[in-house]
Amino acid sequence: GQQVQQSPASLVLQEGENAELQCNFSTSLNSMQWFYQRPGGSLVSLFYNPSGTKHSGRLTSTTVIKERRSSLHISSSQTTDSGTYLCALADTNAYKVIFGKGTHLHVLP
Amino acid sequence: DAGVTQTPRHEVAEKGQTIILKCEPVSGHNDLFWYRQTKIQGLELLSYFRSKSLMEDGGAFKDRFKAEMLNSSFSTLKIQPTEPKDSAVYLCASSFGHSYEQYFGPGTRLTVL
Repeated sequence: GQQVQQSPASLVLQEGENAELQCNFSTSLNSMQWFYQRPGGSLVSLFYNPSGTKHSGRLTSTTVIKERRSSLHISSSQTTDSGTYLCALADTNAYKVIFGKGTHLHVLP
Repeated sequence: DAGVTQTPRHEVAEKGQTIILKCEPVSGHNDLFWYRQTKIQGLELLSYFRSKSLMEDGGAFKDRFKAEMLNSSFSTLKIQPTEPKDSAVYLCASSFGHSYEQYFGPGTRLTVL
């Protein structure tokens, strides 16, 4: 089965609302990274967060290894936050990196 | 510091051709990853080099895809022969110190006719 699952698959927000994106994994974790991608664009790293909580501006990432989940919180969303958010799990015992399918976020003005 | 660079940015090939995509990692990074991204499959790992040693060769991609790390600052991905189903964006990423904290290049969009 799928080893990394992201939810929700898509999300529509009104500007100013908050969002919580989830990444659940079923395999062993050595690192977790969150990326942002605009349509036609490359991947921009938001957080490298194997465990614990990290903050950057309006974004917060929390990874709880025991519960096999990582989350990305966006506060006070803006239209420029629209795009796809991807989580990537590295299973370094197997030299593998597995990406989730992404959450497609659309923020309305 | 320059980030990850990839060339060409766009490539159009006829079915059966051989194409070579190029990647230069961030200076000083010692791990390099090649991915393929499609709308249906998402991001799939094609190969992973750790200090120029191939650690992951992509399993199902092995037969027509070959990645090489010619030196610590240059890698190629050869697809031979190309098929229409290879149409995708090919992304290269690098990381430092085996951390798996990846920095991505802009990608090469490949169209196979």
